[in-house]
Amino acid sequence: GAVVSQHPSWVICKSGTSVKIECRSLDFQATTMFWYRQFPKQSLMLMATSNEGSKATYEQGVEKDKFLINHASLTLSTLTVTSAHPEDSSFYICSARERLANNEQFFGPGTRLTVL
Amino acid sequence: GDSVTQMEGPVTLSEEAFLTINCTYTATGYPSLFWYVQYPGEGLQLLLKATKADDKGSNKGFEATYRKETTSFHLEKGSVQVSDSAVYFCALSRHAGGTSYGKLTFGQGTILTVHP
Repeated sequence: GAVVSQHPSWVICKSGTSVKIECRSLDFQATTMFWYRQFPKQSLMLMATSNEGSKATYEQGVEKDKFLINHASLTLSTLTVTSAHPEDSSFYICSARERLANNEQFFGPGTRLTVL
Repeated sequence: GDSVTQMEGPVTLSEEAFLTINCTYTATGYPSLFWYVQYPGEGLQLLLKATKADDKGSNKGFEATYRKETTSFHLEKGSVQVSDSAVYFCALSRHAGGTSYGKLTFGQGTILTVHP
């Protein structure tokens, strides 16, 4: 089946630094990628929708200048957390929707971000 | 807005027990409903789905029926196995006409642990 990878799987950084997370569709072309955030014991919260070659659409309450999303190709989207703070610590998950018949979303394994 | 509510976990069962995980939703119109499963260390995988009222989704022995009158989509399995231990997420999407799946709204997830 379709596989989505994320890199890194976990990252620890100092407050004030920026962190980039990659999301790749390994064996299909993804017209759309989604970025989610998951707090412990809570649901996945959609942050933004990313279409290849265009600007991402952010959900209400998500700071677009803080969470920069780039969907440069049909197989790669990146999320950059700029000037990270401890409250940005979370589990970030991406999904990719393939440009085939059923447009099902496929999820990456997630990236654990800890900001010290 | 749209919302999904799942029964609180964690749920602990013995092998071969009957499983029910309740899920109710709030949405305007006619959403599509999904159950996703997340095994330890892996990304979310689509377990089953239903796109209209009275549809029954099924996969790997799991079933769920789209009940519009009770706005529910409860997950059931007659005989669970140790390998079913995972986190289960109920979700809905309002843009599900034909082959298109839009943004997903997730429940909070239910942790299932099955003991031998």
